Amino acid sequence: GQNIDQPTEMTATEGAIVQINCTYQTSGFNGLFWYQQHAGEAPTFLSYNVLDGLEEKGRFSSFLSRSKGYSYLLLKELQMKDSASYLCAVSDSNYQLIWGAGTKLIIKP
Amino acid sequence: EAGVAQSPRYKIIEKRQSVAFWCNPISGHATLYWYQQILGQGPKLLIQFQNNGVVDDSQLPKDRFSAERLKGVDSTLKIQPAKLEDSAVYLCASSFRSGSYNEQFFGPGTRLTVL
Repeated sequence: GQNIDQPTEMTATEGAIVQINCTYQTSGFNGLFWYQQHAGEAPTFLSYNVLDGLEEKGRFSSFLSRSKGYSYLLLKELQMKDSASYLCAVSDSNYQLIWGAGTKLIIKP
Repeated sequence: EAGVAQSPRYKIIEKRQSVAFWCNPISGHATLYWYQQILGQGPKLLIQFQNNGVVDDSQLPKDRFSAERLKGVDSTLKIQPAKLEDSAVYLCASSFRSGSYNEQFFGPGTRLTVL
């Protein structure tokens, strides 16, 4: 079967750095997406990785290791507005997105 | 550029009633998706359209759910009759194309409560 695993919840302090991990087992791989979802709102695109390595975009970075079936999202200089759920999604062999359950990130002052 | 539009934003119905949701994707986006998101879970794909044709409806409970995209633009998702377990947020998303790097843009969702 296809499976995406993420921690359910994480807590971090404003101004700090947090790493949200995602491991996956899917039938085929055509890229991995990270989305941010604030409570009661729709998911919004953060990043896309299809090759191994680190993609940096401002305070957010995303890393991929295809051989390990592993990705992480790194958030630096945390702000209160970063409190949200972070969803990992893998595009499988049919280009369908397989979604994780999301990681709820709580930022404390 | 206008985003994905959905209506209504909220709906409360009794079980066994019917309900319909509407979605208008971003102009020019050929691919349209309907997702069901239960609280605390990731989105679950119900149906994917490419223009007005169905690409994937393998997880759509066809005994009670139906969807159409007649002119290849806006779409309607219907539930008839509704069950308690249908309480969820129904998200519509669109992408310029399917295939690799199909970044999906989501609408605000419809929160359905079935009593």
